[in-house]
This record gives sequence, C-alpha cells and structure tokens, in this order.
Amino acid sequence: DVKVTQSSRYLVKRTGEKVFLECVQDMDHENMFWYRQDPGLGLRLIYFSYDVKMKEKGDIPEGYSVSREKKERFSLILESASTNQTSMYLCASSPPPGRRNTEAFFGQGTRLTVV
Amino acid sequence: AQSVAQPEDQVNVAEGNPLTVKCTYSVSGNPYLFWYVQYPNRGLQFLLKYITGDNLVKGSYGFEAEFNKSQTSFHLKKPSALVSDSALYFCAVPNNAGNMLTFGGGTRLMVKP
Repeated sequence: DVKVTQSSRYLVKRTGEKVFLECVQDMDHENMFWYRQDPGLGLRLIYFSYDVKMKEKGDIPEGYSVSREKKERFSLILESASTNQTSMYLCASSPPPGRRNTEAFFGQGTRLTVV
Repeated sequence: AQSVAQPEDQVNVAEGNPLTVKCTYSVSGNPYLFWYVQYPNRGLQFLLKYITGDNLVKGSYGFEAEFNKSQTSFHLKKPSALVSDSALYFCAVPNNAGNMLTFGGGTRLMVKP
C-alpha cells in the first residue's frame, strides 16, 4: 500500500518558534507538495518540489521555506511561527511532471496550532 | 490558468437518497479532472478521475462522476447516500505541466439518517 507519512498529527508551538513539518513518501515520486487547508479557503499550495534540491513557490509561500535533500523526504519550515499560521498542513506526492492523468497521494495531515 | 469551482459550501441529503456534489471547470485543452474526499481529521483520498472516453466515470465507495463538456461540469454522484459518506469533497484539475493540482473550495456533504 502506497504511503505518504507526515511526522506529526498534532503540533502546538509558540509564537516565534522555528517549526519543522516532515513528510516522507515511499512511492519514489518526483513531485512533492505542501498545502495549507483552512475553512472556507480550501487547499492552497505553499511550495512544491519536482526533484531533489529543487523547489517552486506556490500561491502562499510567505513565511515558509522548504527543504528536499532526499527524494523521499520534503520538509516544510516555518521560520518564525505566527498565530496566523495555525492551520491544517497537508503533504502530497505524485509521479513525474507531464503525466497529468495520474493522481496525487496525500498524507494524513498535521494540525498545527501556534499560541 | 486551469481552475475548478464548487458552487455549494454544503450539501444535505437523507440517507438512501441520491446525492450530487457539483463542480465546474475552466481549462484550456482537454480536461483532466479529479475528485477527492476528506474524512474528519484525515488527509485527502482519491475517489475518481476523468481522462478521456466515457463521460460517466466510476470510482471508489460507489461514487461516480459525469463529465459534461457543453456545461463544463464534472458533478460527483451516488445513487444512494450513506451516513458514512459525510465528509468534505474536493474537485481538482492539474496544470498544463501536470506538476500540481488546483483544488476547488470544497463541499461538505452531510448525510442524515
């Protein structure tokens, strides 16, 4: 069974802390994504990566950075957490670019609360 | 840019009745369309996709979707709703490069006993 695993289901962090959200996939997918999900706003893309050490900004990259040192792992970093970053964060992976007919696979989500 | 829209924030249906969750799309070229479901406190799960061919696509858990080119719609349907179908449903479309999905705003389906 294919898997995308996020390291934490729930996190509580303090304002100003540096926060790491980790995601690992076992499908040898080139593409990996970080989305943020908020009520009424749906899913918004923060960053994606199409290869090791490669990254592209999504729709809402401000306040976030990412790291992809290995193909299977994609990390989202909140440099200095703020309360407006309280949200559900979803990681996903998918096969190579150009294969538009192939679905993405999602992790179970990390609900982050910044206090 | 490719986009999808879900005009209803919430759909309420009684158990045993048919359900429809609406999605309209705006794409250039041939559309590739997806439906995902999210159960409470979980990630998204793939339900079904339209690539080409038959306009009626069958997917997981008894769901199906009807592709309508003239109405630019891809509505999700099920003949008989279950309480366990209550969840958040997302329609999605890939960009032209195929390296990311754009999601609709989501529709919450509530199935009441």
